[in-house]
Amino acid sequence: KAGVTQTPRYLIKTRGQQVTLSCSPISGHRSVSWYQQTPGQGLQFLFEYFSETQRNKGNFPGRFSGRQFSNSRSEMNVSTLELGDSALYLCASSSGQGREKLFFGSGTQLSVL
Amino acid sequence: AQSVTQLGSHVSVSEGALVLLRCNYSSSVPPYLFWYVQYPNQGLQLLLKYTTGATLVKGINGFEAEFKKSETSFHLTKPSAHMSDAAEYFCAVRFYGGSQGNLIFGKGTKLSVKP
Repeated sequence: KAGVTQTPRYLIKTRGQQVTLSCSPISGHRSVSWYQQTPGQGLQFLFEYFSETQRNKGNFPGRFSGRQFSNSRSEMNVSTLELGDSALYLCASSSGQGREKLFFGSGTQLSVL
Repeated sequence: AQSVTQLGSHVSVSEGALVLLRCNYSSSVPPYLFWYVQYPNQGLQLLLKYTTGATLVKGINGFEAEFKKSETSFHLTKPSAHMSDAAEYFCAVRFYGGSQGNLIFGKGTKLSVKP
């Protein structure tokens, strides 16, 4: 079974631009969560989608948004990029129910210049 | 506020020595508890989890953790460290009422293993 796939692996953008990151969950998984990882703040929850609906949202500004498609693939978008948005963005998938664990992708490393 | 605290951002042990990584959480209701490991330039891999039942949980790569409700702790141990254990370790908690994908992570502990 293929794991969680995130694309692209690396991104370089400049301030003010917008960016879209993609995540393909493990086949059969209906829940996708996104996390931001930085050296200073660690891992912080962005949002979770289940069956195309946002189920939970972390404490991030509205510049951060996401969506999930009918095939469970998910995208997250960051508009008007700031230097502080430079981070590793991790996607995790799960069945969405019960006590199942999260499976993480390798992440997208975003650098904002 | 619900939180997870990992004591020690860096831990260094000698190969063959005991590994002890500490994790405490703040909650009156026992949450679900997890330990993840992250190798450089990779995502997170689950080492072990506690949901209910036996409080001593065994995971992969010889790691285990014990849930102690009275101490609100979930410390990770391994009897004998290997060089390959060098990585960053994260304790994570899913608090009562939280959705499956919403975990609160500790700041992480970077483990170094000296030959």
